[in-house]
Amino acid sequence: AQSVAQPEDQVNVAEGNPLTVKCTYSVSGNPYLFWYVQYPNRGLQFLLKYITGDNLVKGSYGFEAEFNKSQTSFHLKKPSALVSDSALYFCAVRDGASKIIFGSGTRLSIRP
Amino acid sequence: SAVISQKPSRDICQRGTSLTIQCQVDSQVTMMFWYRQQPGQSLTLIATANQGSEATYESGFVIDKFPISRPNLTFSTLTVSNMSPEDSSIYLCSVEVGGFLTETQYFGPGTRLLVL
Repeated sequence: AQSVAQPEDQVNVAEGNPLTVKCTYSVSGNPYLFWYVQYPNRGLQFLLKYITGDNLVKGSYGFEAEFNKSQTSFHLKKPSALVSDSALYFCAVRDGASKIIFGSGTRLSIRP
Repeated sequence: SAVISQKPSRDICQRGTSLTIQCQVDSQVTMMFWYRQQPGQSLTLIATANQGSEATYESGFVIDKFPISRPNLTFSTLTVSNMSPEDSSIYLCSVEVGGFLTETQYFGPGTRLLVL
């Protein structure tokens, strides 16, 4: 069975500092990994995905994520945080053709 | 990608009534999904709706409570029947776009439902 974990309910970062939102996964086959962002009173927006290839994936709004097979992790990163990055972030995983599974979400708060 | 709209964006309903939520996509898609999300919480899949076949419901969700229609490749509806306050939630429509094993899900803006 596949699963995904976001160990931090909340991450607080000062504007201009680098940010990391953590995600670990468990799948029986090859993982397909996704990050979504949800701004207040909005639906989920797709940020980026890893299917195969380069372990560093670049996405929207300056975000990137690093796939680490040995640590079964797919952490979301940004070199310099903006106040407008404050939102709820979801990691998701799919094992081949199975249904996508979403993590519990991490609330990112960027202080000015 | 896909652009998805939902109607209504929000509603306040009385218990015992039903609400039908519409989902419209700007392109033809095979797979459509309906999710429920408590504010600030993760998503729970209600059902998968493929055009031309019956929707497939997840454990804990039944057709009598959440009937779904999928009349064509760009449209679907979810009805929340005989509502109770426990049905207060955000309902999200989602579609799957892309080739085999490279599919990505895109989401509508959601319908915020409050049942009194």
